[in-house]
Amino acid sequence: DGGITQSPKYLFRKEGQNVTLSCEQNLNHDAMYWYRQDPGQGLRLIYYSQIVNDFQKGDIAEGYSVSREKKESFPLTVTSAQKNPTAFYLCASSATQLAGELFFGEGSRLTVL
Amino acid sequence: AQKITQTQPGMFVQEKEAVTLDCTYDTSDQSYGLFWYKQPSSGEMIFLIYQGSYDEQNATEGRYSLNFQKARKSANLVISASQLGDSAMYFCAMWGGAGGTSYGKLTFGQGTILTVHP
Repeated sequence: DGGITQSPKYLFRKEGQNVTLSCEQNLNHDAMYWYRQDPGQGLRLIYYSQIVNDFQKGDIAEGYSVSREKKESFPLTVTSAQKNPTAFYLCASSATQLAGELFFGEGSRLTVL
Repeated sequence: AQKITQTQPGMFVQEKEAVTLDCTYDTSDQSYGLFWYKQPSSGEMIFLIYQGSYDEQNATEGRYSLNFQKARKSANLVISASQLGDSAMYFCAMWGGAGGTSYGKLTFGQGTILTVHP
């Protein structure tokens, strides 16, 4: 079955540590995205990538980094510079021809201890 | 810049009744698209329905319909014949911008929690 796989589902980290969230898709989509969701809030865009080896900052990119070395993969690193990293992170992809419809993974919940 | 407003933090509906979830938007773009997503307690986002700004007819997908009123900048979701499994958070979202520059970059509202009572 085609879809988006995020791992891990739950992650705990100590303050000052970097952590990387994995996102893999087998939908052959060109574009991939990372969103952050805080409790009771909507989603906010962190980074997005429209093609391999290219990515752009979203609305809240500070303290995060990404890479796009393969079409299928778009990992997100939450660095120690991110002041409030505890949140639910959602990865998504879209076929660029389909204006905006996103397919989401099941999310990764990061808690900083 | 785009903005989505969902003014109902929570809504309750009786099973088998219809319910309307409100969404208003603000954009200066001529070309844009509006979405509704459902987020169950498990966290994944499920696409429900899409309306393009140039679509003349309201979008429908099974029990979901989108009441698109362009002049009022509203895009309300109507769920007919509610089911217990409809209990979830619902998000209205939009993309905007000509030339495909905003494809996939969605702006989300705050969400509405829908509870369906038996």
